[in-house]
Amino acid sequence: DAGITQSPRHKVTETGTPVTLRCHQTENHRYMYWYRQDPGHGLRLIHYSYGVKDTDKGEVSDGYSVSRSKTEDFLLTLESATSSQTSVYFCAISDPTRGRVNYNEQFFGPGTRLTVL
Amino acid sequence: KNEVEQSPQNLTAQEGEFITINCSYSVGISALHWLQQHPGGGIVSLFMLSSGKKKHGRLIATINIQEKHSSLHITASHPRDSAVYICAVRVTGNQFYFGTGTSLTVIP
Repeated sequence: DAGITQSPRHKVTETGTPVTLRCHQTENHRYMYWYRQDPGHGLRLIHYSYGVKDTDKGEVSDGYSVSRSKTEDFLLTLESATSSQTSVYFCAISDPTRGRVNYNEQFFGPGTRLTVL
Repeated sequence: KNEVEQSPQNLTAQEGEFITINCSYSVGISALHWLQQHPGGGIVSLFMLSSGKKKHGRLIATINIQEKHSSLHITASHPRDSAVYICAVRVTGNQFYFGTGTSLTVIP
C-alpha cells in the first residue's frame, strides 16, 4: 500500500472557524489531490497539485484553499467552515511520469470525517 | 452532468454468483480505474486499464474504448466482496472523474 496518511482522521468544528487538513505521502508522487465524498455524489475534486507550489482548482473549490510547500505534504484549508462542508475528505496521490500505466493509478489516504456544526 | 455512469447502483447477490458491474463514460479518456471502498471507508485500487482485459484472482475488468464502456466481473462471489465499487476515468491533466459507485452485498 502507498504510504499516505491524513490528519486529523475525525474533526468536529463550529461554523465560521478555520480548519486545516493535512495529507502526507512517503511515495514521492508528483500529483496530489483533495476530494470530498458525499452521499449521492461520486468523489468530487476540490483542488489538486502537480508539483511543489503548483496547484489548480477542481470542480468544487469554492470555500477551500490549498498549499504544497514540500513534495510530501498537501494541506487543505477551509478558511471559514460552513455546514455544507460537512463531508468525508480524501487525499490521493498519482504519478503518471514513471513510464508504466500502473503508475497512473490513484492511491488514497484513509479519509478525514469533518463535521461542521 | 455525469461524465461517468455506473449500473446498477445497488446489487445483492447470493454467495457463489457471477457478478457484473457496468461503467459508461462520455469523455475522452487515457485510462479507466476500478476502485473498491470497504465498509470502513478505505478506498483501494483494483485495476487501471486502457484497453482489453485484466484479471486478478476472481476479479476481471474489461474495457471497450470505442463503446466507452467498462465492466467489472466478480466470479464465485463471497461475502467479503461486499463493498462499494467505484469506476473512475483519467482525462487530460491527470485528473479523474468518478462514478457514484455500485454498492454490492453478497449474502452467505
